[in-house]
Amino acid sequence: EDQVTQSPEALRLQEGESSSLNCSYTVSGLRGLFWYRQDPGKGPEFLFTLYSAGEEKEKERLKATLTKKESFLHITAPKPEDSATYLCAVRPYSSASKIIFGSGTRLSIRP
Amino acid sequence: DAMVIQNPRYQVTQFGKPVTLSCSQTLNHNVMYWYQQKSSQAPKLLFHYYDKDFNNEADTPDNFQSRRPNTSFCFLDIRSPGLGDAAMYLCATSRAGTEDDQPQHFGDGTRLSIL
Repeated sequence: EDQVTQSPEALRLQEGESSSLNCSYTVSGLRGLFWYRQDPGKGPEFLFTLYSAGEEKEKERLKATLTKKESFLHITAPKPEDSATYLCAVRPYSSASKIIFGSGTRLSIRP
Repeated sequence: DAMVIQNPRYQVTQFGKPVTLSCSQTLNHNVMYWYQQKSSQAPKLLFHYYDKDFNNEADTPDNFQSRRPNTSFCFLDIRSPGLGDAAMYLCATSRAGTEDDQPQHFGDGTRLSIL
């Protein structure tokens, strides 16, 4: 069964304290892995798509990486405005259009 | 800007009273999705339209229905809402059937409360 697991469930950091969020997945074949950011009371906002092991994408203080079993979202020198829930999702080869979400990591950055 | 728009942002209804949520998109995407999201949980797919083809998830209650009258609009109908249906309802769109694997783009959701 296709599955996505994110850890930790919640993470509290001091401003400037770098860390990483983990997304582990098991799928019959990976068509794409997506990272989203979700603020309270809003819909998920697309951040990155990763397609193959070894691929990396960067945007401001965020960098996403991908291996054959997991993806990491690295946050470098975070600021309070980076506080949000970060969702990981995968699209298996078996699906033309559906994605499977993890339950997310709630990130809180203290000033 | 092209986007996904959901109305209303907040909806309050009475137990058992039918309610309709709406979604429109200016992205001209061929796939539209409805998700239910409860507090601190992942979005749960209810159903999606791939062009005009309706795809229901196996565990979506019969109480939930959907209509897509044209490419731009999609509606979620809850025939007899129960207290357990209180949640955020998210609409998303994507362009499928191309070589590039396009991400889903989400609206800001409708927060549904049941009295």
